[in-house]
Amino acid sequence: SQQGEEDPQALSIQEGENATMNCSYKTSINNLQWYRQNSGRGLVHLILIRSNEREKHSGRLRVTLDTSKKSSSLLITASRAADTASYFCATALSNDYKLSFGAGTTVTVRA
Amino acid sequence: DAMVIQNPRYQVTQFGKPVTLSCSQTLNHNVMYWYQQKSSQAPKLLFHYYDKDFNNEADTPDNFQSRRPNTSFCFLDIRSPGLGDAAMYLCATSSLRTGGETQYFGPGTRLLVL
Repeated sequence: SQQGEEDPQALSIQEGENATMNCSYKTSINNLQWYRQNSGRGLVHLILIRSNEREKHSGRLRVTLDTSKKSSSLLITASRAADTASYFCATALSNDYKLSFGAGTTVTVRA
Repeated sequence: DAMVIQNPRYQVTQFGKPVTLSCSQTLNHNVMYWYQQKSSQAPKLLFHYYDKDFNNEADTPDNFQSRRPNTSFCFLDIRSPGLGDAAMYLCATSSLRTGGETQYFGPGTRLLVL
């Protein structure tokens, strides 16, 4: 069953602006991962944050994790047209390696 | 470059006509996954192979079968496709042998059922 829920479902921003999306989940996790999917393509791994971590950075990406609220956020700074894609959070439950994906946030970056 | 390859990229089949989708990987990962993704929805895990061990998800219909003849290849067989099986099918791999938790995805096969 789907573990994560993402908010918002869709986001439209101007190039250069920041994009923030959120993911909430239901049960204890081992780690939470964010993936990007360009239209009609496979998913690409962006970043992994473990349950004992609170924040991670990778280039223009910043991920936070609040295990007390069972939520995570992904921030993309200084967005570019190439960031237009769907972004999915995926959780790995404690003592498991399988991933459960949220329904995703569709981000459109306008030039 | 090491990668996950899926063939074909687009597959059209007729209602009830068996179809096989293929996935190969050059990453030498020990786990291979098959996901189904319908439009604007989350990828849904159908089953996976951990080495040679097949692991089916409880809600995967019997209509879906899989084979993994060796480390590199994995196949998804849909025995009698229905209109509801039209979707993107994604293959992914991970290397749990080396503690890797990230999954590497192929480009997907879009299945159309007429």
